[in-house]
Amino acid sequence: DTGVSQDPRHKITKRGQNVTFRCDPISEHNRLYWYRQTLGQGPEFLTYFQNEAQLEKSRLLSDRFSAERPKGSFSTLEIQRTEQGDSAMYLCASSGRTSGGIEETQYFGPGTRLLVL
Amino acid sequence: GQNIDQPTEMTATEGAIVQINCTYQTSGFNGLFWYQQHAGEAPTFLSYNVLDGLEEKGRFSSFLSRSKGYSYLLLKELQMKDSASYLCAEDAGNMLTFGGGTRLMVKP
Repeated sequence: DTGVSQDPRHKITKRGQNVTFRCDPISEHNRLYWYRQTLGQGPEFLTYFQNEAQLEKSRLLSDRFSAERPKGSFSTLEIQRTEQGDSAMYLCASSGRTSGGIEETQYFGPGTRLLVL
Repeated sequence: GQNIDQPTEMTATEGAIVQINCTYQTSGFNGLFWYQQHAGEAPTFLSYNVLDGLEEKGRFSSFLSRSKGYSYLLLKELQMKDSASYLCAEDAGNMLTFGGGTRLMVKP
């Protein structure tokens, strides 16, 4: 499968615990994005990387949220001291120049569904 | 600021045509995306409009008017599998700003 992959697909945690999610983008893509989606809403942008550089992080929901992309390939999103309001689907997307495609198109992974008890 | 509006829900009959509208108010507009999202799944790309006009792709077409801040997605020959949410998203450069999505229910 050459699409965007995310791990885990589901995560249940207790309030106050830290969680980390992983995203593996499409291999040729240099841009990677994180979004959060709650039930009945569209995805909400969180942060964006071009290669290993995090170029936009002002939309991260609080200082409990952080993301990394150390080698410009996979990325991790960490939530510290989780709260019940963090329960949502966390989506990763990637974009970039590929043959026959539109460079700006963001392709989404299957998401990680987080439930904070 | 950025504000994207689309209807919350629509219902249509199998075999019919449905038009889902989207309006946006923003500066720094680069283009307009439409995504389809089935319940519990990731959004999948449908179309991207940069220039004014209609772009047709099989049963799906998308229209953009930059001067009016308006787009629509047209679905023809509706099938039951088209029941999903349809997300309008503005390309503001380095991120997508999504509307709340339109939940389309196709009935026999």
